[in-house]
Amino acid sequence: DAGVTQSPTHLIKTRGQQVTLRCSPKSGHDTVSWYQQALGQGPQFIFQYYEEEERQRGNFPDRFSGHQFPNYSSELNVNALLLGDSALYLCASSLVQGLGNTGELFFGEGSRLTVL
Amino acid sequence: GQNIDQPTEMTATEGAIVQINCTYQTSGFNGLFWYQQHAGEAPTFLSYNVLDGLEEKGRFSSFLSRSKGYSYLLLKELQMKDSASYLCAVPSGGYQKVTFGTGTKLQVIP
Repeated sequence: DAGVTQSPTHLIKTRGQQVTLRCSPKSGHDTVSWYQQALGQGPQFIFQYYEEEERQRGNFPDRFSGHQFPNYSSELNVNALLLGDSALYLCASSLVQGLGNTGELFFGEGSRLTVL
Repeated sequence: GQNIDQPTEMTATEGAIVQINCTYQTSGFNGLFWYQQHAGEAPTFLSYNVLDGLEEKGRFSSFLSRSKGYSYLLLKELQMKDSASYLCAVPSGGYQKVTFGTGTKLQVIP
């Protein structure tokens, strides 16, 4: 049973460029959430996708956008990169809380983005 | 909104017991998670509490008081491999956006 997979694992971009990060959820999961984690900080919620729609969004600018595909995989796009966007981007999959599901998040290993 | 507060760092001795506290404020309570994150790795699930009281799982236990907005993670018989960050997190909203605290970095020393 494959867990959450993310690609790429590491990437380097320059200011102003655009980046796309990809995530495949754990088998059977229908909800994908994206988090940004700066060094020494907890993960910060970016947004969450369920049934191919953005359901909730954190305090991130419109430069951050996403998509969920019919097979539940997801992409995170960041435009006009800033130095401050350098971070570990984590994808987490889950089942919607309820009906015996705690909503526990299963995380991928993350994509480490460096913006120069 | 959600507000989560936990200590930044703690140090404890191998074989000892350590308690990591978490206080939270949330509009609508849907449970509380604890995650462990080793340096350079993804967070992994430790526990979920939705009712008051202590939940024990091996060397790890988690406690919740909903009236006080308070939880703690108790680690017994500490091992060197327990050196990690411990993240307190609360879900909210119909699709359970999960908000994390800044994490408590635990260092276990010999």
